[in-house]
Amino acid sequence: EIVLTQSPGTLSLSPGETATLSCRASQTVSSHYLGWYQQRPGQAPRLLIYGASTRATGIPDRFSGSASGTDFTLTISRLEPEDFAVYYCQQYGSFSQNTFGQGTKVEIK
Amino acid sequence: QVQLVQSGAEVKKPGSSVKVSCKTSGGTFNTFTIAWVRQAPGHGLEWMGGITPIFGRPDYAQKFQGRITITTDDSTDTAYMELSSLTPEDTAVYYCAREQTFLGLDFWGQGTLVTVSS
Repeated sequence: EIVLTQSPGTLSLSPGETATLSCRASQTVSSHYLGWYQQRPGQAPRLLIYGASTRATGIPDRFSGSASGTDFTLTISRLEPEDFAVYYCQQYGSFSQNTFGQGTKVEIK
Repeated sequence: QVQLVQSGAEVKKPGSSVKVSCKTSGGTFNTFTIAWVRQAPGHGLEWMGGITPIFGRPDYAQKFQGRITITTDDSTDTAYMELSSLTPEDTAVYYCAREQTFLGLDFWGQGTLVTVSS
């Protein structure tokens, strides 16, 4: 089973700053099948990025994703108040191999 | 616009089963995968299993093998997730979500809280 490890666990930043979130896979993961999700308190997750770097419909361009080998990164530029939330990476597309990372909380400093 | 609407909250006794429904609209039900994901209070997301109606055969995370059943009703564009032998550790919000090839889980249901308590 592929394990996705997210870091840091919590990121304390101020509005306007840039957040850099990491997701490391224990084995090779196709970039086609790596997604990032945002979850605000009391809400269902929302797809931000699919295919490691493609923004989902309606997602602002301050969200960007990249990949290098087994390392995946979500960057949030110019943090807005609504961006303070928990973020998850996920490997999808392989049913029994589908897994989520444990999440990174972006909190207001 | 695609919508997934789940059934309401449930309270169950340990050892019993729960069946959560997920009615879809706005898409072609047969052609995409419905995934089930749960989230225990204060914890992260956990993928449980999924099914592509056109193929029919569900797939389950190993952790839930033997006590999860995912089915679909093509006549009503509804997917179901049944979990048996419930314990308090199964207390969680259960989500259904649509997965399209290469596109991730792009639409989610509102979630169904299942509470297991004696």
